[in-house]
Amino acid sequence: GQSLEQPSEVTAVEGAIVQINCTYQTSGFYGLSWYQQHDGGAPTFLSYNALDGLEETGRFSSFLSRSDSYGYLLLQELQMKDSASYFCAVRDTVNRDDKIIFGKGTRLHILP
Amino acid sequence: KAGVTQTPRYLIKTRGQQVTLSCSPISGHRSVSWYQQTPGQGLQFLFEYFSETQRNKGNFPGRFSGRQFSNSRSEMNVSTLELGDSALYLCASSLGGTVKNEQYFGPGTRLTVT
Repeated sequence: GQSLEQPSEVTAVEGAIVQINCTYQTSGFYGLSWYQQHDGGAPTFLSYNALDGLEETGRFSSFLSRSDSYGYLLLQELQMKDSASYFCAVRDTVNRDDKIIFGKGTRLHILP
Repeated sequence: KAGVTQTPRYLIKTRGQQVTLSCSPISGHRSVSWYQQTPGQGLQFLFEYFSETQRNKGNFPGRFSGRQFSNSRSEMNVSTLELGDSALYLCASSLGGTVKNEQYFGPGTRLTVT
């Protein structure tokens, strides 16, 4: 079946670094994406990895290892505004049925 | 450029009724996807429309349906509402035609079924 696993909650301290992991099991694979969602808000796109390696966008980086079916989102210099839920997502194709599948999200708590 | 808009933002319906939600994508985006978000299940894919055609469908009962108009605006309909349909319904638009998963989400419609 198709599934994405990520921790339900992570806690970190302001100014620190935190890593949110995502493992996936899909029949096909067309890249791993990350979205951020603040309470009461809509998910917003953060990053996309189609190939193995690290993609950096400011304080956020995302990593992908296709051989391990694994990726992570790295947040550096944490700020209180980074408190949110983070979702990994993959586009999968099964029997010509193509859709984006989301993980259940990781709630990031930041302590002052 | 205006973002994705959804109407209404909040809705309260009674079990057994039906409801229609509307989504206007970003100008130039031809793909609209719908998701149901609940605390326990996260974001679950309902369906995707591209150029007025349903391109993909998630694992939801036939009570959930949708359509897309020639201007790319989309509607989703839920008939015979059940208590379990209470959720945040999000639509997301994208250019389409690409495997990149970058989607732009609207603020959602919060549906409460009593």
